[in-house]
Order: sequence, then structure tokens, then C-alpha cells
Amino acid sequence: AQSVTQPDIHITVSEGASLELRCNYSYGATPYLFWYVQSPGQGLQLLLKYFSGDTLVQGIKGFEAEFKRSQSSFNLRKPSVHWSDAAEYFCAVASSGNTPLVFGKGTRLSVIA
Amino acid sequence: NAGVTQTPKFQVLKTGQSMTLQCAQDMNHNSMYWYRQDPGMGLRLIYYSASEGTTDKGEVPNGYNVSRLNKREFSLRLESAAPSQTSVYFCASRDLGQMRGYTFGSGTRLTVV
Repeated sequence: AQSVTQPDIHITVSEGASLELRCNYSYGATPYLFWYVQSPGQGLQLLLKYFSGDTLVQGIKGFEAEFKRSQSSFNLRKPSVHWSDAAEYFCAVASSGNTPLVFGKGTRLSVIA
Repeated sequence: NAGVTQTPKFQVLKTGQSMTLQCAQDMNHNSMYWYRQDPGMGLRLIYYSASEGTTDKGEVPNGYNVSRLNKREFSLRLESAAPSQTSVYFCASRDLGQMRGYTFGSGTRLTVV
């Protein structure tokens, strides 16, 4: 069965600093990988996704993620964090386009001035 | 606006009461999903419907039933609510094989007292 691990429960960064949120997955083949963001009291919004091809993917709001097969990782990055990026971030994996997503437990991002 | 609509947004139930959470999508998606979100647990799949006329259990189905009423609507029923079912419930949809990920509703916050 697929599983997703987000090792960091809570991260605090200064505004303007760079950000990396970690995600590791457990699945034999190349999975379908996603990052979602959830602002307080809101639903989830898709940031970016990876299925195949270029292992560095660009998403919305200036985010990018890199798929590393050797490390079973799909880490989310942003060069310069804005206060509006404070939210909870979820990594998710599916074995195909037809199977349900399995979500990690999330990483809460706080941004300080 | 196109998307996934969940009703109600908030609900308080007494232990043992029943209720149905409604979900409707207007994007002509084939697949629909119900997840619950609890602090520190991420999103866990309750039930899903890969296509009209089919439903399958997810990770945490106990205490719930679902109905795929038609292609647009997918309801979640709690027959006898328990305090352990206090949670935020999200409905989501997508096309089979679609690479766009899920479209989420805004959630239903349920409290069982």
C-alpha cells in the first residue's frame, strides 16, 4: 500500500527566506505525486503535480518541487516566502490516475516578519 | 461558479443522531470522494465512487454509508453519530485518468456532542 511521510509537523521561516518542505513516499513504481495547500478554514488547493518527464515541476504561487526517485522524495520549495504563504501543506500520492489519493499528515508553515 | 459544493458548512449533532452530508459537482467528473480531516492526521479516505453506480470503502469507512445518487451527487450518511466522528469532512471529485488532481469542496465542520 502507498504511504506518504511528511517529517516536519510545523516549520517557521522568516519572510523572504527560502523554504523546503519534505515529502517521502512508499510505492514500488513511479507514483503520481501532488502538493496541496490549505489556508485556515478553507478547502485544499492544488499547487503542483508530477506524473512523468522533467523531475523539476513548477506550480502556482512561485512553488516548485523536485522528484527524486533514488530518495523516494518529492520536496516542495520556494525561493522567497511571503507572509501569505502561511498555511498547511499536504503531499499526496496515487498509484495511477484512477486510484484515490493518499495524503501525508501535513506540514504547518508559519511565517514571521 | 463551477466546482464542488458541500452542504451544510457547519453542523452540531447529539450522540446517536443521524445526518447526511451532501456533495454535488458540476464539472461532469466521473469520480467522487469523501475524506475526513483531523488534527495531526491529514486527510483520510472514507469512501469513494470511481464512477456512477459504484462505491468502495476507503481507509476509515466504519460508521458511514454513501450513496452515489447520480453523476453529480455523492452523499455521506452517519446513521448513529459518535463523538469520534467529530471532524471536518471534505468532498472531492475528478475525472478518471485525469491528471489534474482533485477539486475539493470547502468542507463541512461536524461536531458530535
